Amino acid sequence: QVQLQESGPGLVKPSETLSLTCTVSDYSISSDSYWGWIRQPPGKGLEWIGFISHRGTTYYNPSLKRRVIISLDTSKNQFSLKVNSVTAADTAMYYCVKAIGGSSLFDFWGQGTLVTVSS
Amino acid sequence: QSALTQPASVSGSPGQSITISCTGTSSDVGAYNYVSWYQQHPGKAPKLMIYDVSNRPSGVSNRFSGSKSGNTASLTISGLQAEDEADYYCNSFTSSASWVFGGGTKLTVL
Repeated sequence: QVQLQESGPGLVKPSETLSLTCTVSDYSISSDSYWGWIRQPPGKGLEWIGFISHRGTTYYNPSLKRRVIISLDTSKNQFSLKVNSVTAADTAMYYCVKAIGGSSLFDFWGQGTLVTVSS
Repeated sequence: QSALTQPASVSGSPGQSITISCTGTSSDVGAYNYVSWYQQHPGKAPKLMIYDVSNRPSGVSNRFSGSKSGNTASLTISGLQAEDEADYYCNSFTSSASWVFGGGTKLTVL
């Protein structure tokens, strides 16, 4: 059973960079699939942030594209998210996900990690 | 990109059937058969219920079904049960090679 686990600071100051890592177990991120991030502000809906393919091609939400970077670390079987210049609006539960290419199948999700932006 | 449009809330009695709509545009829902539906209970991660418009992942009850007509996708839950009470979100691929979610629908089982 594939497992995804998010990790990173739970508190980030405004204007700084939010950095999260997703560690994948029992599946090689370099073999296939897409790996990405989805967030959910408290009490609100889901927002797709972006994906990276197993080959390293990235796809981002147009509204976040200027501030977001998703990268792979195949040596550690991890992928990461960086969001620059954060504000309170970036406060959210952040989920890492695995997706199957050529379908809408986001088949495995992490449990989520809450990131609060506050001074 | 704009969020897909879902009703804020729907309700039904146990045993009844309900349908949740998800309206997009010809650039997302209407253009691709890449529509999925998620169920989310409070404090939990979303759970995939339907993918590629009408496919059920292994382990999901056949009481859940999906369909699409034009720019609108639908999730139908038949034989409503108390444990179906949750938030439901639709998701679609877009012509910008991105994904967009609906605003979510709160299902109440009366």
